Amino acid sequence: QVQLVQSGAEVKKPGASVRVSCKASGYTFSNYVIHWVRQAPGQRLEWMGFINAGNLKTKYSEKFQDRVTITGDTSASTASMELSSLRSEDTAVYYCARKQSGEKYPFDYWGQGTLVTVSS
Amino acid sequence: QSALTQPPSASGSPGQSVTISCAGTSSDVGDYNSVSWYQQYPGKAPKFIIYEVNKRPSGVPDRFSGSKSGNTASLTVSGLQAEDEADYYCSSYAGSDIWVFGGGTKLTVL
Repeated sequence: QVQLVQSGAEVKKPGASVRVSCKASGYTFSNYVIHWVRQAPGQRLEWMGFINAGNLKTKYSEKFQDRVTITGDTSASTASMELSSLRSEDTAVYYCARKQSGEKYPFDYWGQGTLVTVSS
Repeated sequence: QSALTQPPSASGSPGQSVTISCAGTSSDVGDYNSVSWYQQYPGKAPKFIIYEVNKRPSGVPDRFSGSKSGNTASLTVSGLQAEDEADYYCSSYAGSDIWVFGGGTKLTVL
């Protein structure tokens, strides 16, 4: 069965960087796109960007363009998201989500989420 | 890339129907038939329940239905059940490889 398993919770100081990984199994990794979505405590889902695991093309939300890097390792069926220059407002649960390439398809499988806490 | 607009809360009694709106613009909801809806329980990851405006994946009860008119999409839950109490989010493609989510609606079953 399809599974996306994310790395564990992180606590970081302001100004630091965090890297969250997302290991896929149960399907051909390179046939799909991995998106990253975050959710601050009690807040809405917020789209951050994606990586096409087939051609490693990335796209980022304007809001995170300068601070986020999404990478993929097809040999390990793993996508990673690195967010730099962390501030308290980045405290959130970060999710990876799988999606077929193309605008009409939904985010059909989600990771379990990774809590990132930014605190001095 | 503004968030889509949803009412913060909605409620209904068991057996009733409730509709949650998702207002976008002519650049997202109005321009693409790629609206999807997600159900999220507290502390859990979202689960998709509607895609391409009105399609249901297997396993999702037909009590859930979606529609769209102009720049606004809607999710209707018919025959409300206690287990439907959750947060619901809409999402739409917004062009240029950008996706946007709504602000979320907390559905309470009275």
